[in-house]
Amino acid sequence: AQSVTQLGSHVSVSEGALVLLRCNYSSSVPPYLFWYVQYPNQGLQLLLKYTTGATLVKGINGFEAEFKKSETSFHLTKPSAHMSDAAEYFCAVSPPYGQNFVFGPGTRLSVLP
Amino acid sequence: ETGVTQTPRHLVMGMTNKKSLKCEQHLGHNAMYWYKQSAKKPLELMFVYNFKEQTENNSVPSRFSPECPNSSHLFLHLHTLQPEDSALYLCASSQRQGAPEAFFGQGTRLTVV
Repeated sequence: AQSVTQLGSHVSVSEGALVLLRCNYSSSVPPYLFWYVQYPNQGLQLLLKYTTGATLVKGINGFEAEFKKSETSFHLTKPSAHMSDAAEYFCAVSPPYGQNFVFGPGTRLSVLP
Repeated sequence: ETGVTQTPRHLVMGMTNKKSLKCEQHLGHNAMYWYKQSAKKPLELMFVYNFKEQTENNSVPSRFSPECPNSSHLFLHLHTLQPEDSALYLCASSQRQGAPEAFFGQGTRLTVV
């Protein structure tokens, strides 16, 4: 069975600082990997995804993530945080053969002025 | 705007009421999902429909009853709910079950009183 862990249920950074949100997964086969963002009282919006190919993927709003198979990780980064980045971030995995997403518990990002 | 629309956005209902949540997508997708998002808990997959056939029911109590009349519409019928059913209910769709991208609606905030 697949599972996703996100280290830190709440992360605070200063505006302009590096954002690093951690995601590790367990899977018997290389999965597809996703980061979603959820703003208050909104649904989930896809930030970026990894399926195949280049392991460093770029998403919307200046975010990027790197798939590291040896570390079973897919950490999300952004060089410089903006106040508008404050939201809940979810890492998710999906095996590449028709099964459902498994979501991590989420990390709430706060951006301090 | 993700192309997945949920109505109503907010719903308050008594424990003896019957209500329905509606989800609609015009993305040409063939899979639709209901998720429950409670405070401080991971996203819980409730139901999956793939090509109008229910393929997943994750041990959801019978007071929740899904309906998928066509690939574009998904309903969640609610009756005799409990206060612990209060949550954000999210609908999602994808090309097919397990496809490497899902689009989420904005959710219905349900409060059971």
